[in-house]
Amino acid sequence: DVKVTQSSRYLVKRTGEKVFLECVQDMDHENMFWYRQDPGLGLRLIYFSYDVKMKEKGDIPEGYSVSREKKERFSLILESASTNQTSMYLCASRTTVQGNEQFFGPGTRLTVL
Amino acid sequence: QQQVKQSPQSLIVQKGGISIINCAYENTAFDYFPWYQQFPGKGPALLIAIRPDVSEKKEGRFTISFNKSAKQFSLHIMDSQPGDSATYFCAARRGGNTPLVFGKGTRLSVIA
Repeated sequence: DVKVTQSSRYLVKRTGEKVFLECVQDMDHENMFWYRQDPGLGLRLIYFSYDVKMKEKGDIPEGYSVSREKKERFSLILESASTNQTSMYLCASRTTVQGNEQFFGPGTRLTVL
Repeated sequence: QQQVKQSPQSLIVQKGGISIINCAYENTAFDYFPWYQQFPGKGPALLIAIRPDVSEKKEGRFTISFNKSAKQFSLHIMDSQPGDSATYFCAARRGGNTPLVFGKGTRLSVIA
């Protein structure tokens, strides 16, 4: 079974803090994605990565950065957390070898106070 | 600009009834149309998917109907059950290393 794990299920941070959200997948997938999920807005793509050390901006990259030093790990960084970044963050991965299925992690609910 | 428009936002269906969720897209380059199901506290999981070379795909009680000329596709859940209560997302993508574009989701409640 493909497994996508996220470092925290719940996280509470203060405004201005630097926040790291970690995602690890165990299936050697090339593509990895970070989405945020907000009520009524669905899943919005923040950043994605085709492969190691590669990254592309999604629809809402402002205030975020990413890092992919190893194939299995994709980190989302909030450089200076703000209250409007309070949200559910979902990581996903996908292989390019066969199929199109994106596998999602369980999500990290981040609250910025 | 919303590339995939999903409706309704919420849906209440009686147990045993048919649930229908609709999506419309603009980009004719899209060639893969999945539906994801998300239960509270979980990440979305692939439910069923279709490519534009077929007009319908059925897996158990779940059916995707696809209308290429109208640029619309829909999810039908037959004999809806309380366990189907979840949020459903339609999505679409082009070929290659492109990400999925998601609709805003539909919260389905199946009541007994």
